Amino acid sequence: NAGVTQTPKFRVLKTGQSMTLLCAQDMNHEYMYWYRQDPGMGLRLIHYSVGEGTTAKGEVPDGYNVSRLKKQNFLLGLESAAPSQTSVYFCASSYRGQAWGYTFGSGTRLTVV
Amino acid sequence: AQSVAQPEDQVNVAEGNPLTVKCTYSVSGNPYLFWYVQYPNRGLQFLLKYITGDNLVKGSYGFEAEFNKSQTSFHLKKPSALVSDSALYFCAVRDPKIYYSGGGADGLTFGKGTHLIIQP
Repeated sequence: NAGVTQTPKFRVLKTGQSMTLLCAQDMNHEYMYWYRQDPGMGLRLIHYSVGEGTTAKGEVPDGYNVSRLKKQNFLLGLESAAPSQTSVYFCASSYRGQAWGYTFGSGTRLTVV
Repeated sequence: AQSVAQPEDQVNVAEGNPLTVKCTYSVSGNPYLFWYVQYPNRGLQFLLKYITGDNLVKGSYGFEAEFNKSQTSFHLKKPSALVSDSALYFCAVRDPKIYYSGGGADGLTFGKGTHLIIQP
C-alpha cells in the first residue's frame, strides 16, 4: 500500500519556467490538499479538492493552479515560477466525513533560481 | 477563524528526561486536535488526535497529549525522551462546526512547528 506518492522529489527551475507536481493516492480518499512548508511558517494550504473535478483555493493560492481530473490524482501547477515559490510542497489526502488527520506524501523540494 | 500557536521554536531535552512541546489553539467550539511529527526529508506522520472523551490521549512512539479546555491547550508529552525523538513537531486544529457544515475541507490549520532536540 503506497499511500500518497509525490513526484518529483526534487526540482530546480529557472524563474519563469513552468512545471507540474503530481500527487497520487491509492486509498480512495475523497479529499486532497496541497501545502507548502517554509521555515518558520509551518504548513500553509495552497489549494484543496473535495472530489473529482472540484478544486478550491486555500490560504496562499496565488501563482498556483490545480486540477483533479481523476479521484486518485491531484496536480499542482506553476505557470511562471518565481523565487518566492522556492519551498517544500506536500500533498495530503483524507476521507470525507472522517474528521481525522491526513496522510501526507514525502514532499517535493522545489528551488526556483 | 481557527488558529493554533506553538510558542517555542525549539525545545532541548536531555535523553531520559520528560519532554513537553506546547500548543494552544483557538476555535469557536470544541476542537479536533492533532499532533504530527516530521523527520528530516520526510513527510508528516500522524502521532495522535483528540476528538472527544478522555483529556489524556495516547499515541504512537510513547507520546501522549493532554487536552485542557480551560487553558485551550494541547501539549505533547513523553515521560522519557529518546535521541530518536529529535524531529519537527506540528500541532494542528480543526473546528468541527465548520467541518460538518461543509466548510471543513479547507484543511487543518497547522502551527509553525517546534524543533525537538534530544541530547545524549
